[in-house]
Amino acid sequence: GAGVSQSPSNKVTEKGKDVELRCDPISGHTALYWYRQSLGQGLEFLIYFQGNSAPDKSGLPSDRFSAERTGGSVSTLTIQRTQQEDSAVYLCASSSRRGTGSTEAFFGQGTRLTVV
Amino acid sequence: GQQLNQSPQSMFIQEGEDVSMNCTSSSIFNTWLWYKQDPGEGPVLLIALYKAGELTSNGRLTAQFGITRKDSFLNISASIPSDVGIYFCAGPSLAQKLVFGQGTRLTINP
Repeated sequence: GAGVSQSPSNKVTEKGKDVELRCDPISGHTALYWYRQSLGQGLEFLIYFQGNSAPDKSGLPSDRFSAERTGGSVSTLTIQRTQQEDSAVYLCASSSRRGTGSTEAFFGQGTRLTVV
Repeated sequence: GQQLNQSPQSMFIQEGEDVSMNCTSSSIFNTWLWYKQDPGEGPVLLIALYKAGELTSNGRLTAQFGITRKDSFLNISASIPSDVGIYFCAGPSLAQKLVFGQGTRLTINP
């Protein structure tokens, strides 16, 4: 596709349920990021995939959070046993790698997660 | 790890005023990126800077890559209501991971 696509755009779930959020990056982009953004706040880094390298999971807030990237393309962020504090917008971004550093990252529209 | 500090954290201005915000780091960055996030949307890239001293414009927006490579500035001239949003600076860390500042929230009074 032309841009980064995230689904669903909105998700309401009951506390304790598991949720899966999907990200389709821009075709050919080797790097993929997940961020979390609470209302009115900045971007909280969660996880970073770059090519075939081991992902940087340093931002995942607890072991309830995990992410996969299959075939170097689509990524799924899974939150197990959701809690109310998990309510936020989850943003995905992808970028290509050029020269000595990652180039511009492009964001999806985000998934708004509400845990009730 | 490398961090980016943005200031101010928030700005309240009158329509038509010029805006200036900056982003600093204790480490050198080889690329500086500026993003804008409208309410309910994902951040959108405004300007990318790749060379120290580079000055780049995009309409009423102008961004500069600091000579020391430890800072960058974004200016908006003659602000209009649609400039409202959160502005983020970003750059690749030594590990090639994109690092974001905390954002500057811009509010415009008509």
